[in-house]
Amino acid sequence: EDQVTQSPEALRLQEGESSSLNCSYTVSGLRGLFWYRQDPGKGPEFLFTLYSAGEEKEKERLKATLTKKESFLHITAPKPEDSATYLCAVQKVSGGSYIPTFGRGTSLIVHP
Amino acid sequence: DAGITQSPRHKVTETGTPVTLRCHQTENHRYMYWYRQDPGHGLRLIHYSYGVKDTDKGEVSDGYSVSRSKTEDFLLTLESATSSQTSVYFCAITNGNEQFFGPGTRLTVL
Repeated sequence: EDQVTQSPEALRLQEGESSSLNCSYTVSGLRGLFWYRQDPGKGPEFLFTLYSAGEEKEKERLKATLTKKESFLHITAPKPEDSATYLCAVQKVSGGSYIPTFGRGTSLIVHP
Repeated sequence: DAGITQSPRHKVTETGTPVTLRCHQTENHRYMYWYRQDPGHGLRLIHYSYGVKDTDKGEVSDGYSVSRSKTEDFLLTLESATSSQTSVYFCAITNGNEQFFGPGTRLTVL
């Protein structure tokens, strides 16, 4: 069974205090690992897709990395506007269709 | 922003009534998905579609049915709504490389 576990469940940071969120996974036939940001009352917003171990992608203060068993979302010098829930999902192909499985998310609060 | 809309955005209904939620996309993507999001469970896949009239079940499909008669529209139907189906429902589309979500429908079943 495919599983995605995100940790920590919640994280409080001071503005400028860098940290990392973890997404560990077990999936047969990984065809992409996604990171999303979700603000309260809104749909998830796509951030990154990673495909293979060693791959890295960056966007502003966010950097996502991937190994064979986990992915990290590094947040450098966060600002209050980075406060959100961050979701991780793994995608596999089954019967020719893309099937994502989501983790439960990490709720990030950045204090000014 | 990806062109994906959901209607209605909010709905309150009574137990036992049928409910249909609509997802509309303007991106011409082949794959469309319906999820529900509940506290403590995260996003769970209900049904998905890989083309017109091609659909399949997800993790939590009991009590739900779907239809896709056009590329741009994916309908989710609760034949007889129950209180356990109170949730926020999200539609999503993907080209396999990126997945985009709609704004969500908040459904309350009394």
